[in-house]
Amino acid sequence: SQQGEEDPQALSIQEGENATMNCSYKTSINNLQWYRQNSGRGLVHLILIRSNEREKHSGRLRVTLDTSKKSSSLLITASRAADTASYFCATGRNSGYSTLTFGKGTMLLVSP
Amino acid sequence: GAGVSQSPSNKVTEKGKDVELRCDPISGHTALYWYRQSLGQGLEFLIYFQGNSAPDKSGLPSDRFSAERTGGSVSTLTIQRTQQEDSAVYLCASSQTSGRGIRIDTQYFGPGTRLTVL
Repeated sequence: SQQGEEDPQALSIQEGENATMNCSYKTSINNLQWYRQNSGRGLVHLILIRSNEREKHSGRLRVTLDTSKKSSSLLITASRAADTASYFCATGRNSGYSTLTFGKGTMLLVSP
Repeated sequence: GAGVSQSPSNKVTEKGKDVELRCDPISGHTALYWYRQSLGQGLEFLIYFQGNSAPDKSGLPSDRFSAERTGGSVSTLTIQRTQQEDSAVYLCASSQTSGRGIRIDTQYFGPGTRLTVL
């Protein structure tokens, strides 16, 4: 069963605006990752945050993790049309090798 | 190659036929995963290989699904007697560990195989 649940399911914004996507999960985790998918094909890893971390940055991406609320958020600042894609959160239960449990994703549309 | 490759990219088959999907992981990656993604859905875990250990098959939806990984590298996912509900994109991913045992959890995905069962 899927553990991560993204919110919203779809998000439509204008270029230059910030986009915030949220993810909630149910069981304890070792890490949480965000992936991006274009056109329903291969996923690209964006960022990983471990359970003992609260915030992480990578370029225009900022991820937060609140283990007490079992939730995470992905913020994309100054969005571009090229950011249009589906974004998935995935949780890993263990350190080391672990299967990931994915949510259903947020579809982001950035209009020029 | 530089990334995970999968073949074929698209497969159309008739109900009841068997299909084989192939995955070439990144060289040196010891872990390999298969996922299935139905239209508009998230990824569903199918099976996981780690080195020479017995695979984790807990995600396979039925006994019509099986997978092998030969020589710790290439993997083949086989679906026997395909059904229309098997239509989906099948994604393969691989991941690695560093030489000092520091595990890297990032999974690198292939482009997927889109399977259509008529």
